[in-house]
Amino acid sequence: NAGVMQNPRHLVRRRGQEARLRCSPMKGHSHVYWYRQLPEEGLKFMVYLQKENIIDESGMPKERFSAEFPKEGPSILRIQQVVRGDSAAYFCASSPLREKNTEAFFGQGTRLTVV
Amino acid sequence: AQTVTQSQPEMSVQEAETVTLSCTYDTSESNYYLFWYKQPPSRQMILVIRQEAYKQQNATENRFSVNFQKAAKSFSLKISDSQLGDTAMYFCASVQGGSEKLVFGKGTKLTVNP
Repeated sequence: NAGVMQNPRHLVRRRGQEARLRCSPMKGHSHVYWYRQLPEEGLKFMVYLQKENIIDESGMPKERFSAEFPKEGPSILRIQQVVRGDSAAYFCASSPLREKNTEAFFGQGTRLTVV
Repeated sequence: AQTVTQSQPEMSVQEAETVTLSCTYDTSESNYYLFWYKQPPSRQMILVIRQEAYKQQNATENRFSVNFQKAAKSFSLKISDSQLGDTAMYFCASVQGGSEKLVFGKGTKLTVNP
């Protein structure tokens, strides 16, 4: 059973370009979470999605950021018109159930560098 | 709002010795869960141990154990018989009832020296 897969592992974008980060959850998992890790910081929650629904986006910046988790295919975190401050590691986690004690399985992250 | 504080940015320990990493948290909820995650240089986030707030017994996983002091809102991680492979960033995290989002501390960088 493959773990949570994120791609690409590394992404370099020029200021003003778009960044698309992909996350394929573990087989059988229908809940996906995105977190951002700035240098020397812990992970910060961004958004929680179920298939075709955004459940909690309280951690998403109001502009330029969007996320989706379609019925088929991976979850996508999209950052439009990237700026230097978007440089960070972006982690995806998935879980099978909406239970508080469910272990969320993390991917290896995508390191975004904006030049 | 939920907060998690790790007051030790860096720690080091000799191989085979014991080390304790500190974590305090703040929550207004009575039902919540606490976690320690390990992040080695590969960046993979690995769950080390989990504690349910309503359980008084401290969780243990092999060489890893916690000291959960609910009244003091303290959740420290003890690593016994430290191994070189324990070298990593360690993050304390919490999730409160009714929410699915983990709140992380800033982490403690642990180095195990041979």
